Amino acid sequence: QVQLVQSGGEVKKPGASVKVSCAASGYSFTKYGFNWVRQAPGQGLEWMGWVGSGNGNTDYAQSLQDRVTVTTDTSTRTAYMELRNLTTADTAMYYCARTNSFGGSNRPWYSDSWGQGTLVIVSS
Amino acid sequence: DIRLTQSPSSLSASVGDRVTITCRTSQTVSSFLNWYQQIPGKAPKLLIFGASALQSGVPSRFTGSGSGTYFTLTISSLQPEDFATYYCHQSYNSPDTFGQGTKLEIK
Repeated sequence: QVQLVQSGGEVKKPGASVKVSCAASGYSFTKYGFNWVRQAPGQGLEWMGWVGSGNGNTDYAQSLQDRVTVTTDTSTRTAYMELRNLTTADTAMYYCARTNSFGGSNRPWYSDSWGQGTLVIVSS
Repeated sequence: DIRLTQSPSSLSASVGDRVTITCRTSQTVSSFLNWYQQIPGKAPKLLIFGASALQSGVPSRFTGSGSGTYFTLTISSLQPEDFATYYCHQSYNSPDTFGQGTKLEIK
């Protein structure tokens, strides 16, 4: 079965960077992409960006474009999200989610499997 | 960006009730509208994709409908495990956007 396992929680200081991993199993890795979505405490879902596992194409939320990078490593079947220059406003649960396109390899898509989440706390 | 507005933002209902949540989009998304359920402390779970397609393993009491800019999620007979927060989502245009969520609580 499809499984996405994320790396453990992190505590970072303002100005630092964090890199979250998402290890995939149970399906053909390069046929699907990954969304990264975050959720601040008590808040809704915020899309951060997408990466295509087969072609490495990316798409980012404009508000985060200068600070976030999403990548995949097909040899280890792992997706990564790196967020730089952290502030306290980046404290959130971070989720990876497999994207299944309605046709082709790009949008529109839906996220049919999600990782368990990685809590990132930014505090001085 | 396409804005998604859900209503209501919160809803109290009883086991066995029929409830409907709406999602309006600021521009057409054709039929490319998805619904997720999130139980507190858990990751979101896909319920409906493409406005009306039921994700494998999701009970048939969940139905989705709509197209263009108006969509609904209906739960025909609420079960105790359905009390959660529900989000609509579009990926028709970049960036992906989510509704603000509808919290379904036990009356």
